[in-house]
Amino acid sequence: GIQVEQSPPDLILQEGANSTLRCNFSDSVNNLQWFHQNPWGQLINLFYIPSGTKQNGRLSATTVATERYSLLYISSSQTTDSGVYFCAVEGGAQKLVFGQGTRLTINP
Amino acid sequence: GAGVSQSPSNKVTEKGKDVELRCDPISGHTALYWYRQSLGQGLEFLIYFQGNSAPDKSGLPSDRFSAERTGGSVSTLTIQRTQQEDSAVYLCASSFVRGGYTGELFFGEGSRLTVL
Repeated sequence: GIQVEQSPPDLILQEGANSTLRCNFSDSVNNLQWFHQNPWGQLINLFYIPSGTKQNGRLSATTVATERYSLLYISSSQTTDSGVYFCAVEGGAQKLVFGQGTRLTINP
Repeated sequence: GAGVSQSPSNKVTEKGKDVELRCDPISGHTALYWYRQSLGQGLEFLIYFQGNSAPDKSGLPSDRFSAERTGGSVSTLTIQRTQQEDSAVYLCASSFVRGGYTGELFFGEGSRLTVL
């Protein structure tokens, strides 16, 4: 099946810093989504982005499907951005498969 | 309802007992997923329902696990003869379907299962 690799596994930053999270996938995909899991465990959908670029406030995402990667940018980080960020992809198998996540810690 | 609803939120059971976990998806969503998340780990796919199609059960870890979705809405995940390694948070998610693929996926708050 399709493999999803996220990097870095862990990232520790000071409040106000910018960050870039990466998601690589092993095959062509028809669907890619980014999620944030807060410290209480709730998963929130950030972006539905099978291709192209989207922005939502301080967050933006870009997927380059032909090169099999997606990037999530967080600007001017806040402590509430802490948590685990997951990307999930769906290819020919038609089910959404998750990467192992990037754990982001924003210190005040 | 407004969001995906799961019950119970917490379940403590003894090894060998059966448990049922319930998921009520967002109204109108035809796609429904179950995932499992062990402490500090990623999301492990269990099963996927899409409309009236046969479910994708390829992620169920053993024949002790089963799931059904009645009337295209509520889903129940059943674990028989629970083992300690079944302890995890069980997450349900639902979405519309876009062009044959999963739309924006929305998660419930999960059911935390502890097997003693």
